[in-house]
Amino acid sequence: GAVVSQHPSWVICKSGTSVKIECRSLDFQATTMFWYRQFPKQSLMLMATSNEGSKATYEQGVEKDKFLINHASLTLSTLTVTSAHPEDSSFYICSATPLREGLRDNEQFFGPGTRLTVL
Amino acid sequence: GDSVTQMEGPVTLSEEACLTINCTYTATGYPSLFWYVQYPGEGLQLLLKATKADDKGSNKGFEATYRKETTSFHLEKGSVQVSDSAVYFCALKGSGTASKLTFGTGTRLQVTL
Repeated sequence: GAVVSQHPSWVICKSGTSVKIECRSLDFQATTMFWYRQFPKQSLMLMATSNEGSKATYEQGVEKDKFLINHASLTLSTLTVTSAHPEDSSFYICSATPLREGLRDNEQFFGPGTRLTVL
Repeated sequence: GDSVTQMEGPVTLSEEACLTINCTYTATGYPSLFWYVQYPGEGLQLLLKATKADDKGSNKGFEATYRKETTSFHLEKGSVQVSDSAVYFCALKGSGTASKLTFGTGTRLQVTL
């Protein structure tokens, strides 16, 4: 159990276009979902935290108008990279935290990641 | 702020060799400590964790002990297998329930026959 999926697994787009990445918790309801960015040979950097039905909380230095997050339901969060540029090329990873009852508190379950390449 | 430092890789070992991946941390209060593993093409998976000083987390032959006096959480395994080849991330979570995970840079382990 506790599987998180991401779609697409990879995407290549032209500079100036917008790209949407989906994160789904397949077999549990997620109170909180997290979006991370990972550069080659570097750590995962938290971009934002989203709770279902409320606005996302962005980390310092992350442009909220650039990286739009929508957490529309307890099983789906989306990250939209607007007007993407080559410097946005990266590996984007989401994670989800289950509702407290039934699963270990606060453990994050990670998706497989989405590799974005902006030409 | 919180930070995690882990040894740079890649680490290349022969099968059945001993493994140690060093991890040290900086945090206020009493964080929980984690090791995650990322196999090729997959998401991060929790390998083991420890929530207080002197706790030992263990799973799949891997162990790590929460050492508050040295602020360390080194990952060890006595005999690695080819299937252990992956990237290993050390992480900490602050003492508040809403605290985020802070990750190290990851260490790639390559085990050869």
